[in-house]
Amino acid sequence: GIQVEQSPPDLILQEGANSTLRCNFSDSVNNLQWFHQNPWGQLINLFYIPSGTKQNGRLSATTVATERYSLLYISSSQTTDSGVYFCAVMEYGNKLVFGAGTILRVKS
Amino acid sequence: ETGVTQTPRHLVMGMTNKKSLKCEQHLGHNAMYWYKQSAKKPLELMFVYSLEERVENNSVPSRFSPECPNSSHLFLHLHTLQPEDSALYLCASSQGEGAVGGYTFGSGTRLTVV
Repeated sequence: GIQVEQSPPDLILQEGANSTLRCNFSDSVNNLQWFHQNPWGQLINLFYIPSGTKQNGRLSATTVATERYSLLYISSSQTTDSGVYFCAVMEYGNKLVFGAGTILRVKS
Repeated sequence: ETGVTQTPRHLVMGMTNKKSLKCEQHLGHNAMYWYKQSAKKPLELMFVYSLEERVENNSVPSRFSPECPNSSHLFLHLHTLQPEDSALYLCASSQGEGAVGGYTFGSGTRLTVV
């Protein structure tokens, strides 16, 4: 099956700093999503981005499907951005395959 | 509230108990999923239901039994679980072939088996 690799595995930021999270995948995909899992376990859909660039406030994402990667940008980070960020890609049969995640901690 | 509601939020059960997890989606989606998230492991797909029919059983032990009575509700029936089954169980829904628009997840049920 498809492999999804995320980097870095852990990231510590000072409040106000910017960061880039990366997701590489092993095969061409039709769908890609970025999620944020908060400390209570809830998975929040950040972006549905099979290709191109999208922005939502301080967050933006870019997927280059032909080169099999996606990037999530966080600007002016806040403590509430802490949590785990997952990239997930769609396999056959609507199966969403997740990467291992990036654990982000934003310090005040 | 994401449009996908899971109950209970927390559950502690003994290995001989029988319990059920419930998931309800209010988004008009036609596919629903159960995922398991264990400590230090990626999220694992357990079951896929599309139009109320099970289309995927990802080699899940028979002590986990899903039920999808209609397109809005999904259950996971649990019996004779093991301590290693302790995990966060997440339900999700999506619409259409290829899940255009993506998945929406519930808040999860944190299960502890003692």
